Amino acid sequence: QVQLVQSGAEVRKPGASVKVSCKASGYTFTGSYIHWVRQAPGQRLEWVGWINPNSGGTNYAQNFQGRVTMTKDTSISTAYMELSSLTSDDTAVYYCARARTVFGVVTLFDYWGQGTLVTVSS
Amino acid sequence: DIQMTQSPSSLSASVGDGVTITCRASQSISSYLNWYQQKPGKAPKVLIYGTTSLQSGVPSRFSGSGSGTDFTLTISSLQPEDFATYYCQQSYSYPWTFGQGTNVEIK
Repeated sequence: QVQLVQSGAEVRKPGASVKVSCKASGYTFTGSYIHWVRQAPGQRLEWVGWINPNSGGTNYAQNFQGRVTMTKDTSISTAYMELSSLTSDDTAVYYCARARTVFGVVTLFDYWGQGTLVTVSS
Repeated sequence: DIQMTQSPSSLSASVGDGVTITCRASQSISSYLNWYQQKPGKAPKVLIYGTTSLQSGVPSRFSGSGSGTDFTLTISSLQPEDFATYYCQQSYSYPWTFGQGTNVEIK
């Protein structure tokens, strides 16, 4: 069965960086894009960006440009999201999600990781 | 960015009630609209994709409709496991955006 398993909770000080991992199993890792979505406490879901595990190509939301880097290691079917220059506004649960495209155009997130809480506090 | 606005933000209903949640996009998104259900402390789960298609394994009491800027999620007969927060999401253009959520509570 498809599973996405994320790394554990992290605590960082303002200005630091954090790297979250997302290990995929149960499907061909290079066959589906991995997206990252975050959710600050009590807030709506916010799309961060995606990585193509096959080519390594990425697409980031403008709000995170210059601060986020998504990478992958196909040998261990794992995607990573690194966020730098952290502030308290980055305190959130970060999710990875597998994207599936149907009818050639409609894309949905059909499997999600369990989420990783990143807390930024001095 | 395309803004997604849901209404209501919360509602109270009883088991067996029919419920309708509305999602409005700030510009046309054709039919590129998905609905997710989220329970406290859990990741979202897709219910409906492409406005009307039911995700495999999702009960048929869930249905979606709409096009352009106005969309609807309907639960025909609320079950105890349906009490959760529901989000709409557009995949028409980047950045993909979500509605603010509708919290469905037990009356």
